[in-house]
Amino acid sequence: DVKVTQSSRYLVKRTGEKVFLECVQDMDHENMFWYRQDPGLGLRLIYFSYDVKMKEKGDIPEGYSVSREKKERFSLILESASTNQTSMYLCASSLGTGRSYTFGSGTRLTVV
Amino acid sequence: QQPVQSPQAVILREGEDAVINCSSSKALYSVHWYRQKHGEAPVFLMILLKGGEQKGHDKISASFNEKKQQSSLYLTASQLSYSGTYFCGTGRTGGFKTIFGAGTRLFVKA
Repeated sequence: DVKVTQSSRYLVKRTGEKVFLECVQDMDHENMFWYRQDPGLGLRLIYFSYDVKMKEKGDIPEGYSVSREKKERFSLILESASTNQTSMYLCASSLGTGRSYTFGSGTRLTVV
Repeated sequence: QQPVQSPQAVILREGEDAVINCSSSKALYSVHWYRQKHGEAPVFLMILLKGGEQKGHDKISASFNEKKQQSSLYLTASQLSYSGTYFCGTGRTGGFKTIFGAGTRLFVKA
């Protein structure tokens, strides 16, 4: 069974900390994505990557950066965590355009 | 821009039917449908590509009207297991990304 694994299920961080959220997929997928999920807002795209070392901004990239050094791993970085970044973060991967997404189980991040 | 889903929420009794709509202001190449149960990851239901097709499996099917930039998800003879939040996601021609709607919460009661 194909898998997208997010390293942490729950995280609590302090305001101003640098936070790393890790995502690994074992499907040899080209495309990887980071979304944040908030009640009533659905899934909003933060960043995505269509190849190793290639990345593009999504709809809400402010305050975030990403890294994709290897095909299977896509990291989301919060440069200086703020309370408005408290959210559920979902990683997903896809074989290509027009193909289904496989989502990870999510990381619930609380910034205090 | 996020696609617009309607209704925002729906309550059904077991055996009843439901339709969830998804509309976009942009020309679309693909429409995805996912279901997410509380505390779990969204799970893929189906994807429809440009061409106005209809797809289905079991009692869940969907249509894609390319000209109207709309898709509908049809749930027939609903079961308790259908409860969850349904998301549509839209992709544009030549694009890598999928933009998701705010979701439709569906609750099926016995």
